[in-house]
Amino acid sequence: AQSVAQPEDQVNVAEGNPLTVKCTYSVSGNPYLFWYVQYPNRGLQFLLKYITGDNLVKGSYGFEAEFNKSQTSFHLKKPSALVSDSALYFCAVRESSSASKIIFGSGTRLSIRP
Amino acid sequence: DAGVIQSPRHEVTEMGQEVTLRCKPISGHDYLFWYRQTMMRGLELLIYFNNNVPIDDSGMPEDRFSAKMPNASFSTLKIQPSEPRDSAVYFCASTPGGLQTGELFFGEGSRLTVL
Repeated sequence: AQSVAQPEDQVNVAEGNPLTVKCTYSVSGNPYLFWYVQYPNRGLQFLLKYITGDNLVKGSYGFEAEFNKSQTSFHLKKPSALVSDSALYFCAVRESSSASKIIFGSGTRLSIRP
Repeated sequence: DAGVIQSPRHEVTEMGQEVTLRCKPISGHDYLFWYRQTMMRGLELLIYFNNNVPIDDSGMPEDRFSAKMPNASFSTLKIQPSEPRDSAVYFCASTPGGLQTGELFFGEGSRLTVL
């Protein structure tokens, strides 16, 4: 069965510094990987995805993520954090060979201090 | 498009009462998902539909929960009877098929409180 882990409940970064939010996954087969962001009292919003091709994918709001097959990781990154990036971030995975069941990680709360 | 529309946004009810949550997906989206979000368990997939047909309901907690999708523009999640442990935010999401699958479009959620 597919699974996804976000090892950090919270990440704290100073504004202007680079940020990384970690995600590892487990699937039998090729993964489809996603990042979503949730602001307070809102639904989740899609940020970016990896399906195939270049291991570095770029998404909304200046975020990018790097797919690493050997480490089964898909970490979310941004070169320079903004206070407005503070939110809850979810990693998600789908097996390419399966139907469209999409499983989410537990979420990481990102806090950017001015 | 108005996006995924969920109702009600907030529901407070007493234990034992029936609760019905509603969802209107984005027009043209073939897949519809119901998720539940709690602090303790995070975001759990309850059930999903493809072309109005339930594909996987293994995440439905127990027989008190049921979901239907009578047509492409409407789905319900029903809890009968409700219990305090059902208190959560319930999200509906939809997506087109094919390689775009995974780009879920979420509604704003229905916050359920069972007293």
